[in-house]
Amino acid sequence: NAGVTQTPKFRILKIGQSMTLQCTQDMNHNYMYWYRQDPGMGLKLIYYSVGAGITDKGEVPNGYNVSRSTTEDFPLRLELAAPSQTSVYFCASSYSNRVETQYFGPGTRLLVL
Amino acid sequence: AQKITQTQPGMFVQEKEAVTLDCTYDTSDPSYGLFWYKQPSSGEMIFLIYQGSYDQQNATEGRYSLNFQKARKSANLVISASQLGDSAMYFCAVYGGATNKLIFGTGTLLAVQP
Repeated sequence: NAGVTQTPKFRILKIGQSMTLQCTQDMNHNYMYWYRQDPGMGLKLIYYSVGAGITDKGEVPNGYNVSRSTTEDFPLRLELAAPSQTSVYFCASSYSNRVETQYFGPGTRLLVL
Repeated sequence: AQKITQTQPGMFVQEKEAVTLDCTYDTSDPSYGLFWYKQPSSGEMIFLIYQGSYDQQNATEGRYSLNFQKARKSANLVISASQLGDSAMYFCAVYGGATNKLIFGTGTLLAVQP
């Protein structure tokens, strides 16, 4: 199993551009999460999904959108990139809501200039 | 609402000594879990240890133990016999069973000195 994979690993955007961060897991996990980690800070939950077709907002959803059309994929969309969205983005997944089983992807570093 | 507080932005410890990383939490969920993650300079998040709010005994995983004091709402991580490879950021997190959300603290940077 590859676990949780994220693409791209690193991206620079101009203000106002849009992009999609990809996240895929091959563990048949129902739960998937997107976090952002700002410099020197802990992770903050952006969106999460408890199964295909179901998504919900986390702590910091503004400026982002998600979809969950399949169990494997949970893409995160930035429509109008802003400097405040410069961060490292982590995708995670878990089989259930027992979070000790949560697996993290390697992260995507995004810089908005 | 849930909140995690880690008051130590950074710490030094001598190799082979024990170190305690502080964590206090606040949650309105009657059932919750407490977690510690390690983030080395390479950036990945590594799960270390978990404590459920109804667990009677403190969790242990190898050199890691969680000093859980429910009345004080604290969940300190104890690392015994520190190794150079323990140098990393350490994050405490709380998960509420009713909210499905994992809330992280701001982290403690641990530097192990030879």
